Parts: sequence; C-alpha cells; structure tokens
Amino acid sequence: NAGVTQTPKFRVLKTGQSMTLLCAQDMNHEYMYWYRQDPGMGLRLIHYSVGEGTTAKGEVPDGYNVSRLKKQNFLLGLESAAPSQTSVYFCATASLRGPDQPQHFGDGTRLSIL
Amino acid sequence: GQQLNQSPQSMFIQEGEDVSMNCTSSSIFNTWLWYKQDPGEGPVLLIALYKAGELTSNGRLTAQFGITRKDSFLNISASIPSDVGIYFCAGQPFTGNQFYFGTGTSLTVIP
Repeated sequence: NAGVTQTPKFRVLKTGQSMTLLCAQDMNHEYMYWYRQDPGMGLRLIHYSVGEGTTAKGEVPDGYNVSRLKKQNFLLGLESAAPSQTSVYFCATASLRGPDQPQHFGDGTRLSIL
Repeated sequence: GQQLNQSPQSMFIQEGEDVSMNCTSSSIFNTWLWYKQDPGEGPVLLIALYKAGELTSNGRLTAQFGITRKDSFLNISASIPSDVGIYFCAGQPFTGNQFYFGTGTSLTVIP
C-alpha cells in the first residue's frame, strides 16, 4: 500500500534546465496538490487539481505548470529552472468527499537549482 | 494569501512535560488540521477539526477549534522523545479548495 509516491526523491539542476516531478497515488483520491516547503515559510500551494483533466492555480504558481491526464498521477513541471525554485516539493491528495478532507502527503522531492 | 501565525516557533522541553502550541489567522476558517513532520518525510495528519469549539483527542494529543473560528490549539501531554518534530497547523476558509499552512513549531524533547 504505497499511498502517495513522489519521483524523484532528489534532483540537482542547472539554471534554465527543465524537469518534471511525478506524483502517483493509489488511494483513488479525487483531489491532488503540489506544495513547496521553504525554511521558515511552511507549505505553500503551487497548483492543485479537483479531478482528472482539471488544474487550478494556488498561492505561488509562477514558473510552474501541471497536468492531470490520469486520475492517479499529477505532474509538476519546471520549464526553465531558477535558483529561487530550490525547495522541497510535496504532493498531497484528498478524498472524493470534499476539499475539506485531510490531505495525505508524499515524502517529498528535494530539488536544488544551481 | 491567508496568514497563519503559529507559536511558538520552537520549544525545548524535558521528557514528561506537557506542550501547548497555537495557530491564529486573520480570517475565519471552516476546517483546522494539525500535522507532524519528521525529518526527511512528508507531514502526517494528527487531528482534524470541523466545528467551532470542537475538542478532539488522539492519544496524548488534544486539539481544539477556537470558538472565534480564527484560532486552534494543540496540546501534547507527558511528552516522549518520539514527539520530536515539526508541528504544522493548516486551515481552510469557507470558500475555495485550498488549505493554508502555518510556519510550524519545532519541538525538541530532552530525555
């Protein structure tokens, strides 16, 4: 029972490179979220999805794109990485019952941009 | 975005002591959640609160949804070394699909 799996766990990029972070869930949850966590700032929402084929912007969406082509996967893309995007990225999911339901988190992707 | 103030920022306590932390917002929230995060891992849900005044326990942990809907409290009784970690509050306003997170309280338990 994997729950929420994030791939990769660690990555180092050079400024300007692109990459995609993958979040996969096996709980059949409708809602999926991407957060970034920076020291002293807690978790900030980047983008989220309320169902397959839908996406919406969160608090800090600039520089990121997302896609939810399959219900179980939520992809976060960085088209041209910048040092300010160095962070720990967390994916979370919530059940069909509603967006107020508690979110279940993956273990994070640690991304460094040089 | 919404501002959630979590205090204290850090705590150093002796094993066996009780712990209290709180979270306040500038606006009214519909739902409050409390999470714990261990190093190198994602946050894990401790307690969920859905009604003003609600008091909910999970073992040695007790959380309350403030009556004003602008705050929430978490208490840990008889702390043990495995309580070490960062505790986050999260609140959701009445409209929208988003939770807003506090900046965390780092707890260190000294054996």
